[in-house]
Amino acid sequence: DTGVSQDPRHKITKRGQNVTFRCDPISEHNRLYWYRQTLGQGPEFLTYFQNEAQLEKSRLLSDRFSAERPKGSFSTLEIQRTEQGDSAMYLCASSLEGGWRFFGPGTRLTVL
Amino acid sequence: SQQGEEDPQALSIQEGENATMNCSYKTSINNLQWYRQNSGRGLVHLILIRSNEREKHSGRLRVTLDTSKKSSSLLITASRAADTASYFCATDANDYKLSFGAGTTVTVRA
Repeated sequence: DTGVSQDPRHKITKRGQNVTFRCDPISEHNRLYWYRQTLGQGPEFLTYFQNEAQLEKSRLLSDRFSAERPKGSFSTLEIQRTEQGDSAMYLCASSLEGGWRFFGPGTRLTVL
Repeated sequence: SQQGEEDPQALSIQEGENATMNCSYKTSINNLQWYRQNSGRGLVHLILIRSNEREKHSGRLRVTLDTSKKSSSLLITASRAADTASYFCATDANDYKLSFGAGTTVTVRA
């Protein structure tokens, strides 16, 4: 499968725990995006990378959130001290510059 | 905050009928994109229309864009059960930040 993959697909955690998600983009895509989607809503932009550089972060991305893309390949999104309000689907997408986004299947996070 | 707003929020049609949904947005855009999302899955890109285009077709899909009214429409002709999904419009104002609406949920009855 040469599409965008995300791991894990589902994560259940207790409030206060840290979680980390991984995204593997389409290999030739230099741009990688993270979005968050809550039930009944469209995805909301969190951050994006061009190669290994994180170029934009939404105000939604509090200081408990951090994203990395070492070597411009896969990316990780870490949430520290999770809160119940963090429960959502976390979507990763990749693209070429100016191209449309290819989305992964998402990681569904449930914080108890 | 979400830039686009889809209308209606939900749509139920019989197989073979056409489905039309609308999207309104607030700021200037470079292009507008439509995506489909099946329940609990990732989004699939359907069609992109640039700000200098007025209409675009792809298979059974027809998209229009009226930049003077800041609105777009997506028409799905001859709907099939497999078209049951949520449809989102997304505006691209600055080449990296897609802003999505809340979506239209389409149910196609057999």
